[in-house]
Amino acid sequence: GESVGLHLPTLSVQEGDNSIINCAYSNSASDYFIWYKQESGKGPQFIIDIRSNMDKRQGQRVTVLLNKTVKHLSLQIAATQPGDSAVYFCAETDTGRRALTFGSGTRLQVQP
Amino acid sequence: DAGITQSPRHKVTETGTPVTLRCHQTENHRYMYWYRQDPGHGLRLIHYSYGVKDTDKGEVSDGYSVSRSKTEDFLLTLESATSSQTSVYFCAISEGQNIGGYTFGSGTRLTVV
Repeated sequence: GESVGLHLPTLSVQEGDNSIINCAYSNSASDYFIWYKQESGKGPQFIIDIRSNMDKRQGQRVTVLLNKTVKHLSLQIAATQPGDSAVYFCAETDTGRRALTFGSGTRLQVQP
Repeated sequence: DAGITQSPRHKVTETGTPVTLRCHQTENHRYMYWYRQDPGHGLRLIHYSYGVKDTDKGEVSDGYSVSRSKTEDFLLTLESATSSQTSVYFCAISEGQNIGGYTFGSGTRLTVV
């Protein structure tokens, strides 16, 4: 697999703590949002998605929050584990577009 | 990832030469995409396909062309490679438009010298 040495904002947390990764988007027409995780040497992997008619969605250890008023998306990871260390991307689109637009990413480092 | 493979995994080529990257899927998904990933830019869409012989440009399509002659294969061609096209290229597939996200391949690291 491949990855790049991205110059990214970094969030460093202790193992077991909760992590919050934030994403701002600019297109007020965006109505579908996804969080991806990219581990070193691999392609991005789907984590969770949310549509604009919702403001919160939960998965296994993850929660996505959507605030359409301020065009802000967040990913919360509960009880962060070393395996959560990766780069996290938000992506968004709307019904007028055929493809996702990705944010620039945040690197999560989990300290043992 | 299972169901999508990219080839080659690594390639070094000289400026001015043509290069073709291949994406192959076994999921029978309608939509296929090519993105490039560069430091500071995240993932940027090059081209996408919404069916056999149906393709369209993304935000960074200059210098690239694509072809999709059958459902399972989506080819990305750099007609005359330049150093600015040194990047990691990812192919992705999706079953539907804006449904369930994309499945990405493992990427191709292309270096143009």
